[in-house]
Amino acid sequence: DIQMTQSPSSLSASVGDRVTITCRASQGITNYLAWYQQKPGNIPKLLIYAASTLQSGVPSRFSGSGSGTDFTLTISSLQPEDVATYYCQKYNSAPLTFGGGTKVEI
Amino acid sequence: EVQLLESGGGFLQPGGSLRLSCAASGFTFSTYAMNWVRQAPGKGLEWVSGISGSGDRIYYADSVRGRFTISRDDSKSTLYLQMNSLRAEDTAVYYCAKSSGSFFLYNWFDPWGQGTLVTVSS
Repeated sequence: DIQMTQSPSSLSASVGDRVTITCRASQGITNYLAWYQQKPGNIPKLLIYAASTLQSGVPSRFSGSGSGTDFTLTISSLQPEDVATYYCQKYNSAPLTFGGGTKVEI
Repeated sequence: EVQLLESGGGFLQPGGSLRLSCAASGFTFSTYAMNWVRQAPGKGLEWVSGISGSGDRIYYADSVRGRFTISRDDSKSTLYLQMNSLRAEDTAVYYCAKSSGSFFLYNWFDPWGQGTLVTVSS
C-alpha cells in the first residue's frame, strides 16, 4: 500500500505568515491528491483536488502544488480562521489513504 | 444543497454489531460513489470503505475487511455500513462522504456528513 507522510505534524505561525505543509507519497500518484481542512470541532472540508485545483469558495490564499510523490499546501497569508488540522489524501488506488495531519496554530 | 446525515451510532460492547446509515439528499445518489471515513478520538482520518455508484465495486481498509460491509439502497438514497465483531479500536466518529464521481477511484470527497459516534467498550 502507498503511504502518505505529512510534515510537519504541527506548526505555529503568526497572522500574515506564509505557511507550507508537505505531503509525500511512498510511490508516485501523479496528481491524484486532495487536501482537506478540519477546524476544531468541525467536519473535514475539501480545499484542493487534483493536487492544485482550488475548490469553489475556498479563499485564494490557499494553493497546492506537486506531482508524483511530493506535494505542498501553501497558505500565502495565514488568517485566524485558518487554525485547523490539514490532511492530504491520495485517491488513485485503494486504500484511499490520508496523511497523518498537520495542526496549524497561531 | 447536498446533505448527508449519518445515524445509528451508539455505545456497545466488544464483539457487538451495529449498522450505520447515511441519508443523502440534494443530488442524484445513484450516480456517485460513496465512502465511510472514521476518526478515532483525538486522531486523524482513516478511510474505511467505499462503493461505486453502480454498487459493483466495493473496497475496504485492511483493518475492517471481513467484519464490515458497505452497501447502498439507491431507492432510498441511503448508504449503509454494517459493522460486526466490533473492537475497542473501532471507537470513532464515522463520517460518510460523497465522491466527486461515479467511480470509486480518481475521485475526491465532497461533502462530508456530520458524523455519528461509535463507542466500543466493556
